[in-house]
Amino acid sequence: GESVGLHLPTLSVQEGDNSIINCAYSNSASDYFIWYKQESGKGPQFIIDIRSNMDKRQGQRVTVLLNKTVKHLSLQIAATQPGDSAVYFCAESIDFGNEKLTFGTGTRLTIIP
Amino acid sequence: GAGVSQSPSNKVTEKGKDVELRCDPISGHTALYWYRQSLGQGLEFLIYFQGNSAPDKSGLPSDRFSAERTGGSVSTLTIQRTQQEDSAVYLCASRTDRDRNTEAFFGQGTRLTVV
Repeated sequence: GESVGLHLPTLSVQEGDNSIINCAYSNSASDYFIWYKQESGKGPQFIIDIRSNMDKRQGQRVTVLLNKTVKHLSLQIAATQPGDSAVYFCAESIDFGNEKLTFGTGTRLTIIP
Repeated sequence: GAGVSQSPSNKVTEKGKDVELRCDPISGHTALYWYRQSLGQGLEFLIYFQGNSAPDKSGLPSDRFSAERTGGSVSTLTIQRTQQEDSAVYLCASRTDRDRNTEAFFGQGTRLTVV
């Protein structure tokens, strides 16, 4: 079973519906943001990114929204599929010499068939 | 190879032993990161290498942890006198600096179990 400790927030969505995963970041100097998807037993995989000079970016079935005023990032997944079930992490980076990537807590998305 | 390679994929060690974890980044990537992920939790930053600059070691949890990167390529994370709380998946990632705003690519991780 799972270890005792911090458990990831979870989101369950019916297959075919849209999902929205949210992330709050803390550093107002962050300049670049990335969403990663992590399936069980694998390393995180890149989904989509956005620079701080943008507030929206679209990919295939995914959209990232950035609200710098409230330091909020969201990932929208359209027409969800069973393969979308995974843990989703947001990451932020400061683009002036120190590009350390800082990750959020993560959200576990489960697609219900 | 085309991606980030980590070895071993699994490591079981006895408490008190030293372990070395290896990361082969993507060729040409100048930035290399180590993260730790405990079961069901997020990614905890450990250390970051960028080219010839001094590494950012601010995430290393104790002086039992160290890392080096030889020749700007392969990196080794060493944990001395392992403790049970060191059990986790250790993830390595690399990133290019040709364009500063780029994603990091992750390896599959090394699952470390201290018994």
